[in-house]
Amino acid sequence: ETGVTQSPTHLIKTRGQQVTLRCSSQSGHNTVSWYQQALGQGPQFIFQYYREEENGRGNFPPRFSGLQFPNYSSELNVNALELDDSALYLCASRLVGANYGYTFGSGTRLTVV
Amino acid sequence: QKEVEQNSGPLSVPEGAIASLNCTYSDRGSQSFFWYRQYSGKSPELIMFIYSNGDKEDGRFTAQLNKASQYVSLLIRDSQPSDSATYLCAVNRGQFYFGTGTSLTVIP
Repeated sequence: ETGVTQSPTHLIKTRGQQVTLRCSSQSGHNTVSWYQQALGQGPQFIFQYYREEENGRGNFPPRFSGLQFPNYSSELNVNALELDDSALYLCASRLVGANYGYTFGSGTRLTVV
Repeated sequence: QKEVEQNSGPLSVPEGAIASLNCTYSDRGSQSFFWYRQYSGKSPELIMFIYSNGDKEDGRFTAQLNKASQYVSLLIRDSQPSDSATYLCAVNRGQFYFGTGTSLTVIP
């Protein structure tokens, strides 16, 4: 059973709208990353937060933004949605310094119409 | 050049055979390497990680790392139909970079 939970599981939005996706990280994990996974592709790194500060960002425009909170929860916000934003959005957490991988949440399937 | 490259497959093996999955990476600064399994419609789940050259075994799974060749592989012994999934290779360079995955089908 994964310790990372995401909400909602599915979401349909209209082009141009804004969306907020939420994640509750595994307890004790001080790092959270968000990934976008298009159909048939591997997860693409959006950004990473460590102790509530963004400390890494992939090749995504500024309309993708995030927050991490002290209680291990985090948000991914996407403004001005485009059709190509339709994907599975994955939240993953880990404990920095421990040499093991991320634990992924079950994801949010976003469809932009 | 992509950070991580995998043969997308599909790879088909008969039940009981050895499945061999391969991955190459571009940055010699990569520190550790991970294999994830992803069933259709589900999120990735960690199978193994490796950070030293050589082999690492965990049950039916063996990860192999060759840093000089920038090559990581995953062997699945005694393949089962339940192993049918997409296998993602990931490298850690501060952030994790994933390949596109190799689709494996184990035929009963």
